[in-house]
Amino acid sequence: DAKTTQPNSMESNEEEPVHLPCNHSTISGTDYIHWYRQLPSQGPEYVIHGLTSNVNNRMASLAIAEDRKSSTLILHRATLRDAAVYYCILRAANTGNQFYFGTGTSLTVIP
Amino acid sequence: DTGVSQDPRHKITKRGQNVTFRCDPISEHNRLYWYRQTLGQGPEFLTYFQNEAQLEKSRLLSDRFSAERPKGSFSTLEIQRTEQGDSAMYLCAGGRGRETYGYTFGSGTRLTVV
Repeated sequence: DAKTTQPNSMESNEEEPVHLPCNHSTISGTDYIHWYRQLPSQGPEYVIHGLTSNVNNRMASLAIAEDRKSSTLILHRATLRDAAVYYCILRAANTGNQFYFGTGTSLTVIP
Repeated sequence: DTGVSQDPRHKITKRGQNVTFRCDPISEHNRLYWYRQTLGQGPEFLTYFQNEAQLEKSRLLSDRFSAERPKGSFSTLEIQRTEQGDSAMYLCAGGRGRETYGYTFGSGTRLTVV
């Protein structure tokens, strides 16, 4: 199982940017980096993914280190609805493509 | 509406009973995954299907668990002779089978074994 390491919890003030880090030092060349988040009592929700280049979408930005051993999910302006557990996951490209969750980072947004 | 429906949302059963959960992905989801999640933990992979073929099963999937996906559409997960340790959220996810896409999860079925 590809491993990722994330802080257990983080806090952010509302309307400020949030940078959620993830370390994946054993990443292989074909692994995609995916981020999901899970709100209470809901299933995980896809946020963003990337391979080598930084990515932006309407929800967030993903910054990937040049050596790909770490990445950062960026929420540009945190809202109370962003309070969730954020999972950083490696997804192998040439296997069954199932992916393995860690325990994630629990983000608290302070009003 | 996430596009993946799970039924029921909640299930309470007595130990030793059998339970069955259903997952309905959208038609584009040729891949379907089952995960289990206990309190405070991330989801754990159980099994996945590509169309109707069950391609992988986790060692977590004991012989009391069985999953099917007839005709490559909806899927069912059955647990026989339930135990208290089976109490968890059971999540289903659908995907298009390519790493360039994310997966869509349902809201899960919360199982409580009493």
